[in-house]
Amino acid sequence: SQTIHQWPATLVQPVGSPLSLECTVEGTSNPNLYWYRQAAGRGLQLLFYSVGIGQISSEVPQNLSASRPQDRQFILSSKKLLLSDSGFYLCAWRVTGAGYQETQYFGPGTRLLVL
Amino acid sequence: AQSVTQLGSHVSVSEGALVLLRCNYSSSVPPYLFWYVQYPNQGLQLLLKYTTGATLVKGINGFEAEFKKSETSFHLTKPSAHMSDAAEYFCAVSSGGYQKVTFGIGTKLQVIP
Repeated sequence: SQTIHQWPATLVQPVGSPLSLECTVEGTSNPNLYWYRQAAGRGLQLLFYSVGIGQISSEVPQNLSASRPQDRQFILSSKKLLLSDSGFYLCAWRVTGAGYQETQYFGPGTRLLVL
Repeated sequence: AQSVTQLGSHVSVSEGALVLLRCNYSSSVPPYLFWYVQYPNQGLQLLLKYTTGATLVKGINGFEAEFKKSETSFHLTKPSAHMSDAAEYFCAVSSGGYQKVTFGIGTKLQVIP
C-alpha cells in the first residue's frame, strides 16, 4: 500500500530564516505530487505541482519554491520566510496518467509558524 | 475553468440529527467530485467520490452524496450525526487539465450533545 510522509510535523521559524519541508511517498512510482497551503478561512491553496523529476509548476507567485530531486520526493523551500508564510502545509500525491478521476491522497501536514 | 462553492463555513447540528453540507461546482466539462474530511492538525482523508455511473455515492462513516447535474450540486449528507463527525469537510472538483483539483473553502461541522 502507498504511504505519504511529511516532516517536520511542526516548525517555528523567525522571519527571514530559510525553510525546507520534505515530503516522500512510498509504494508508488512516478506519482503526481502537490504542495498546498491551508490558512484559516481560506481553504486549500495549491502552491506547486509536479508531474515528474525536475518538473515543477507554480500556481501563485510567492516567496516559496519547490523541487523534486527524486521520483518520490518533493521539497518546499524558502530563502527568507515572511510572516504571511505561516500556515498548515499539505503534500499530496496522485496516480499519474490515469485520468482526472483519480483521488489525491494527503500527507499528515506540517504546521509552520513564522514569528 | 473549475470552481467549488461551499455554502456555510460553519454548520452546527445536534447529535442524532441529519447532517447536510452543501457544495456547488462549476465546470466546463463533466466533473469528477470529491468530499474530504479533516480532523484537527491532520491531513485530508477521502470520504467519497463521484466519477461516473450511479449519482448517489456512498462513502465511509455513513456519509453519502448525490451528484445532481441540473443543479450543479454535490451535497454531503448523513442521516444521524455522531460526536466523532465533528471535523472540517472539503468539497473538491476535478475536470481535467494540469492534473489539478480545486477545493472549496471548507465547512466546519460542530456536533452538539
